[in-house]
Amino acid sequence: DAKTTQPTSMDCAEGRAANLPCNHSTISGNEYVYWYRQIHSQGPQYIIHGLKNNETNEMASLIITEDRKSSTLILPHATLRDTAVYYCIVRGASSGGGADGLTFGKGTHLIIQP
Amino acid sequence: GAVVSQHPSRVICKSGTSVKIECRSLDFQATTMFWYRQFPKQSLMLMATSNEGSKATYEQGVEKDKFLINHASLTLSTLTVTSAHPEDSSFYICSALSGTPSYNEQFFGPGTRLTVL
Repeated sequence: DAKTTQPTSMDCAEGRAANLPCNHSTISGNEYVYWYRQIHSQGPQYIIHGLKNNETNEMASLIITEDRKSSTLILPHATLRDTAVYYCIVRGASSGGGADGLTFGKGTHLIIQP
Repeated sequence: GAVVSQHPSRVICKSGTSVKIECRSLDFQATTMFWYRQFPKQSLMLMATSNEGSKATYEQGVEKDKFLINHASLTLSTLTVTSAHPEDSSFYICSALSGTPSYNEQFFGPGTRLTVL
C-alpha cells in the first residue's frame, strides 16, 4: 500500500469547516483513499473513501486532486465531538489488497476549540 | 453500518496469567478478522489476520505461541494472551471484514484495554 503523509496536529474552531490534508504521491491506479478516525480510547471509525472522484456522505467530504497525489477530508461544521486522530490510508480494493490488514500511520490529531 | 463488539472492554490481570479477548461481528458474517495492538500515544499496529476455519497469519515480530488466535465461527474470533507480562499491557482492537471478494470494508470493535500487573 502507498505511504501517506499527514500533519501531526491541527486546530479548528467549533462550527467551522475542518480541512485535513493527506499526501499520497506514490498511490497506484487501483488504490483507494480511506479515512478513519479514532476518538480517545475507542476503536477506529470509518469516515469515507474514494478512488478519483470527490465523495460526500453524512459525515464528511473527500476531495481528491486530479493527479490523485493528495486529498483533503472536510468536516463541514466541526463540533467538539470531532476531536480525534484522523488517519488517511491508501489501500487496494481487490481481494488481495482489500483483504489485508490496514497500515495506520501517525495520523492527524484534530483538536476542535470551543 | 456493521457492528463489531469486544469483550471485555478492560481487564486487569496478574503477571503470568492468560487473558482471553473476544471479538464478535453482531449483524454480519466475517470470514476474516484482524487483531491490532496500540500502545499509549502510538498508532495501531496489525498483529495478525484471523481466518475462519484456518490458522491465523501473524505479522513479523508477533509471537504466535504467546498470542493465540481462534476463529471458530463466522462471527467470533478470540485472542488469548498467554503468560501475560507487564509489557503486554496495551489496547487491543479487532476488526471484521465485510463485503465481497472484490470489495470489502473493515469494521472495528471498541477495543479492550489490558493491564498486566
